[in-house]
Formats: sequence, structure tokens, C-alpha cells
Amino acid sequence: EPEVTQTPSHQVTQMGQEVILRCVPISNHLYFYWYRQILGQKVEFLVSFYNNEISEKSEIFDDQFSVERPDGSNFTLKIRSTKLEDSAMYFCASTEGLNTDTQYFGPGTRLTVL
Amino acid sequence: QQQVKQSPQSLIVQKGGISIINCAYENTAFDYFPWYQQFPGKGPALLIAIRPDVSEKKEGRFTISFNKSAKQFSLHIMDSQPGDSATYFCAARAYSGNTPLVFGKGTRLSVIA
Repeated sequence: EPEVTQTPSHQVTQMGQEVILRCVPISNHLYFYWYRQILGQKVEFLVSFYNNEISEKSEIFDDQFSVERPDGSNFTLKIRSTKLEDSAMYFCASTEGLNTDTQYFGPGTRLTVL
Repeated sequence: QQQVKQSPQSLIVQKGGISIINCAYENTAFDYFPWYQQFPGKGPALLIAIRPDVSEKKEGRFTISFNKSAKQFSLHIMDSQPGDSATYFCAARAYSGNTPLVFGKGTRLSVIA
């Protein structure tokens, strides 16, 4: 069964450093999302992406964050200058197309900012 | 308005028992309500979902009950098994394009033998 993959599984970085989290959505999917989950808390929406542009973003997704689809398969989340509070699990998700329900989540990247 | 309130925070159920998790929402624009199951170290996986045009949906041992007037929905796990031990998240979404999911805070279910 096709699945969303994410790399790395765990990223440790120093405060102020830039990190790039990578996702490979399911191959025929068109809509992509990033969510995050701070330890022990609920999953929160960050940004959605369609047709090479941001569709929607939350208040969490400030100027320190950016997303990109650099090629036909990868979808990346960049955090320019990490803060301690950016420590969380980051999940990528994708849906097949417009107005389709099911969002398929990847296994996540655990980001630890020291 | 955008929140989904989930209870209980944690739940311990005997093997073979019924696990019940409840969620409530306020945004009347929500019209898609999925439940996700998450095992430690894994991403959320869709378990079952419902739209407000039906009051109940059953898939195997998992049932969603939906009360549109009360703006509440719940997950029932019949004949709960130790393998069901996981964190369960309810979520909601307004069905306009591909709007993001709004998640509840999660319920950690432990099924003990």
C-alpha cells in the first residue's frame, strides 16, 4: 500500500540553526500538509500546499517557516532559525485531490532543538 | 469556534469491554468527522469517519455515533483488545476544498487483559 514517507526520523539541532524536514507524499496525491504535535499535545495544522503554492496556513506558520516542492516527489518544511519551542513531531500528510476526505499521514520527524 | 473538545484524556478498559471516547464541536461548518489512531512513534492513521447525514457508522468493532443537534460525536470500540491500546484523536473539517483537520487533544486508551 502506498504511504507517505518522511526523513529524517529524528533531527537534533542547536537553537538558531536552520532545519529542513523532508516528505515524500503518495505519488498521485496533489494536496499536501504539514502538522506538528508537541509532546503530549494535540496535532496542530501548520500549512497546506497545492499547485506549487500555499493554500492555507495557521498562525503558527510565521516567517520562520517555509515550504517547497523542489521536484516532482519531495515536499519540504524549512525552519529558518529554530527556537526551543519548535521541538515537536512534525507530520506530513497528503490527499489525493480536491475535495477528497482522507488525509494520509507520514510517520513524522521528531525535531529536538537544544 | 475552531476547537474540538475530546474526553476523556485517558481510558483504561478491560479486554472484551467497550471503549467510549467523546468529542464535541461548535463550528457548524464542520461536516466531516474522522477518528485517527496513533501508536507510539507513528503518525496518525485514519480509523473511521462520518458525515453528518448519518447518525451512525460501523466498521467492524468500531462505531461512530453522531448527534448533529448536540454537535457531538463519539467512538465506540466493541470487544476491546490489548492491540487497540493507542492514542485516539477525533477531528473535524469543514468540507470546502481541502481545509485542514482540527484535532481534539487525544485519548490514551489502555486495554488490559
